[in-house]
Amino acid sequence: NAGVTQTPKFRILKIGQSMTLQCTQDMNHNYMYWYRQDPGMGLKLIYYSVGAGITDKGEVPNGYNVSRSTTEDFPLRLELAAPSQTSVYFCASSYPTGAGTDTQYFGPGTRLTVL
Amino acid sequence: AQSVTQLDSQVPVFEEAPVELRCNYSSSVSVYLFWYVQYPNQGLQLLLKYLSGSTLVESINGFEAEFNKSQTSFHLRKPSVHISDTAEYFCAVSDRGNNDMRFGAGTRLTVKP
Repeated sequence: NAGVTQTPKFRILKIGQSMTLQCTQDMNHNYMYWYRQDPGMGLKLIYYSVGAGITDKGEVPNGYNVSRSTTEDFPLRLELAAPSQTSVYFCASSYPTGAGTDTQYFGPGTRLTVL
Repeated sequence: AQSVTQLDSQVPVFEEAPVELRCNYSSSVSVYLFWYVQYPNQGLQLLLKYLSGSTLVESINGFEAEFNKSQTSFHLRKPSVHISDTAEYFCAVSDRGNNDMRFGAGTRLTVKP
C-alpha cells in the first residue's frame, strides 16, 4: 500500500492564482481530511469528508474548496491564492471503527508559498 | 471546542537521558487524547492515544503518556531516548471525534550524542 499520497510536494503561486492540491489514499478509508500547518503552530482542520459526496467545513475553511467524488481522492482547491495561505498542507485519512476516534494516516505534505 | 497547550517548543536532551514532553488541554466532560510524531520531511504518525480505561498508555517504541484528569494533562515520557527519536511531537485532543481534533503547536525533541 502506498498509503496517503499528495502532489505536488512543493509549489510557488502568485497572488490571485488558483491551484488544486491532490490527495489519494489506497486504504479504502471512508474519512479524509485536509489540514494546514503554519510555522510554530499546530495543525488546523480545513475540510473533512466522511464519504464520497459528503464534505464539511473544519476550523479554517475560508479560501478553500473541496470535493469528494470517489473514496480514494479528496482534492483541495485554492481559487484566489493569498499570502496568508502560505503553509504546509497535509491530507489524512481514517477508517471509522465506531470507537469514537480512529487513527489518522497522514500524507507527506505539500509546501505552498504564495508570493 | 477543546484547546491544547504544549508547554515547551524545544527540548534538547542527550542520548539515553529521560525526557518528558508536556501537554495540557482545556477541560471537558470526556476527551480523547493523542500524541503524534513527525519526522523530518514526513507526515504525522500516531504515537499513542487515550480513549478510555487505563490512564497510562504505552507505545511500541518505549514512549508512554499518562492521562491526568484533575490536572488536564497528557504528558509524554520516555526513560531513555535515542538519536532516532529526534522529531517534532504533537499533542492533540478531541471531544467529538476526529472531525474536531485540535493540535498543539508541537515540541521539537532533539537528541544529542
